[in-house]
Amino acid sequence: KQEVTQIPAALSVPEGENLVLNCSFTDSAIYNLQWFRQDPGKGLTSLLLIQSSQREQTSGRLNASLDKSSGRSTLYIAASQPGDSATYLCAVKDDSWGKLQFGAGTQVVVTP
Amino acid sequence: GAGVSQSPRYKVAKRGQDVALRCDPISGHVSLFWYQQALGQGPEFLTYFQNEAQLDKSGLPSDRFFAERPEGSVSTLKIQRTQQEDSAVYLCASSREFDRAQFSNQPQHFGDGTRLSIL
Repeated sequence: KQEVTQIPAALSVPEGENLVLNCSFTDSAIYNLQWFRQDPGKGLTSLLLIQSSQREQTSGRLNASLDKSSGRSTLYIAASQPGDSATYLCAVKDDSWGKLQFGAGTQVVVTP
Repeated sequence: GAGVSQSPRYKVAKRGQDVALRCDPISGHVSLFWYQQALGQGPEFLTYFQNEAQLDKSGLPSDRFFAERPEGSVSTLKIQRTQQEDSAVYLCASSREFDRAQFSNQPQHFGDGTRLSIL
């Protein structure tokens, strides 16, 4: 059974610092890995999707890497801003129907 | 609308009552998913529809949970005889992917969820 783990559970950094969020999964037979952002009381916003054949994806200040063989993904957020404060979740798709298996998330606070 | 719409946003019910949660997916999206998110946890899969067909209901926690999507668009998640442990946020997501063989990598788009509190 696939297990997805995110460490740390919470992270606080001063504005301007780079953020590094980690995600690990136990079964490397995945179709893709997705990073989401969740603000309090809101749903999930998709940030980046990395296909199993890719090693990284970039969007603006965000960069996500994927090492399928070791079961790891890392989300980098450059030059953090207070508006980046949110919970970040990673999810793997290891089922061809599409259901996602989520980690518990990393709660990020960026202080001005 | 542009996104996935869920209603109501908040629902309070007494233990033992039945509740119905509605999801309006993005127009044209074939796949629809329901997830349950407990406080401080990631979402957990409940059930999956491809058009009107419910292809996977392996995540439904008990036979008190029932979902339908009769015309392949709007979906309803119904919980009968609610219990306190049913209190959670229920999220709906839709995506365009529809072909199992395509290994499609369309992202899932989530609604804001329904926060269900059982007293």
